[in-house]
Amino acid sequence: EAAVTQSPRNKVTVTGGNVTLSCRQTNSHNYMYWYRQDTGHGLRLIHYSYGAGNLQIGDVPDGYKATRTTQEDFFLLLELASPSQTSLYFCASSDAGGAANERLFFGHGTKLSVL
Amino acid sequence: GDSVTQTEGLVTLTEGLPVMLNCTYQTIYSNPFLFWYVHYLNESPRLLLKSSTDNKRTEHQGFHATLHKSSSSFHLQKSSAQLSDSALYYCALSDRGTNTGKLTFGDGTVLTVKP
Repeated sequence: EAAVTQSPRNKVTVTGGNVTLSCRQTNSHNYMYWYRQDTGHGLRLIHYSYGAGNLQIGDVPDGYKATRTTQEDFFLLLELASPSQTSLYFCASSDAGGAANERLFFGHGTKLSVL
Repeated sequence: GDSVTQTEGLVTLTEGLPVMLNCTYQTIYSNPFLFWYVHYLNESPRLLLKSSTDNKRTEHQGFHATLHKSSSSFHLQKSSAQLSDSALYYCALSDRGTNTGKLTFGDGTVLTVKP
């Protein structure tokens, strides 16, 4: 089973604060994703990457930056956090090379509260 | 762009009754890949089942779904609900037309099974 580890599991910050969420996958997957989960909105894609140094914009990117430093590590950065970014954040990875492999493996999530 | 619609935000059932969670989708791509993901409380979301074959039933863990391209639907069903089925269920669509590996998720359906 693919392993995706997120840290921290919980984070509280204040409006205007600087936050970095970390994600590591150890399965040599090419693709990594950051989603946020909000009641009534489901899972929404923030940013994704198909390899080290690559970054693609998702569907709700405003207020977020991301960086893929290695194949294993993908970071989500909130440089000026706002209360609207209070959410549950999930990192996921996949080896999107073919139909049989198109499956996302999720981390356990990071609960972020912006006060 | 692609979209996925889950009409029920919350479904409450009595144990033993049948389950049906609705999912319809829109895409310009003629060969979509549809998924159901399940998210149990305090766990990671994980794949429940998937399909890209028209009119073929796919089953896993007592759940089943059939992709119907004629009606753009991929409803999730189970003959008899169990207490342990209580979870958040997401229907998702793969953006294979552009080979990005992106998934578009519906808003999710919370299934609560009561004794």
